[in-house]
Amino acid sequence: AQSVTQLDSHVSVSEGTPVLLRCNYSSSYSPSLFWYVQHPNKGLQLLLKYTSAATLVKGINGFEAEFKKSETSFHLTKPSAHMSDAAEYFCVVSDRNNQGGKLIFGQGTELSVKP
Amino acid sequence: ETGVTQTPRHLVMGMTNKKSLKCEQHLGHNAMYWYKQSAKKPLELMFVYNFKEQTENNSVPSRFSPECPNSSHLFLHLHTLQPEDSALYLCASSPLTGEEEKLFFGSGTQLSVL
Repeated sequence: AQSVTQLDSHVSVSEGTPVLLRCNYSSSYSPSLFWYVQHPNKGLQLLLKYTSAATLVKGINGFEAEFKKSETSFHLTKPSAHMSDAAEYFCVVSDRNNQGGKLIFGQGTELSVKP
Repeated sequence: ETGVTQTPRHLVMGMTNKKSLKCEQHLGHNAMYWYKQSAKKPLELMFVYNFKEQTENNSVPSRFSPECPNSSHLFLHLHTLQPEDSALYLCASSPLTGEEEKLFFGSGTQLSVL
């Protein structure tokens, strides 16, 4: 069975400081992993995805994530936060071999950015 | 923006009302989805359609009735809802089922059941 755990329900950073949003996953097979962002009153937008190529994945808006199989983690980072990064972030796992590509969403991490 | 448009953006309804949510995609996709997003809960997949045929019903109560007249349009008909059904309902599409990593989401309908 697959699952995903976002370790923080809320993260607050100051503008210009690094962002770290933590995600751990569980999957019986080689997973595909994603980060989605949801701004207020908007739908979900794909930030980046890992599908068994390079373990360090670069996404939009300066975000990146590193797949660490030994730690079963896929943490999202950004070197310098911007006010516009304030949003809800979802870590997602897809187990193509076992589940036909269905997505399992984490509970989300709300990112606040202070001036 | 994403090519998936949902209407209305907000809906307030009583428990005895009947209403419908509409989703339209202009991406040429063949798979469409309804998700439910409740506060502080992971997104829950409700229904999946592939080439207008329902391929998944994730144990959704019968007071939610989906309809997919063609690959571009998806409806969710609502009747005799409960207050716990209040949530953000998101529509999404992908080229095909099994390609959920290529999902595009609409902005959602925020539903309040009184």
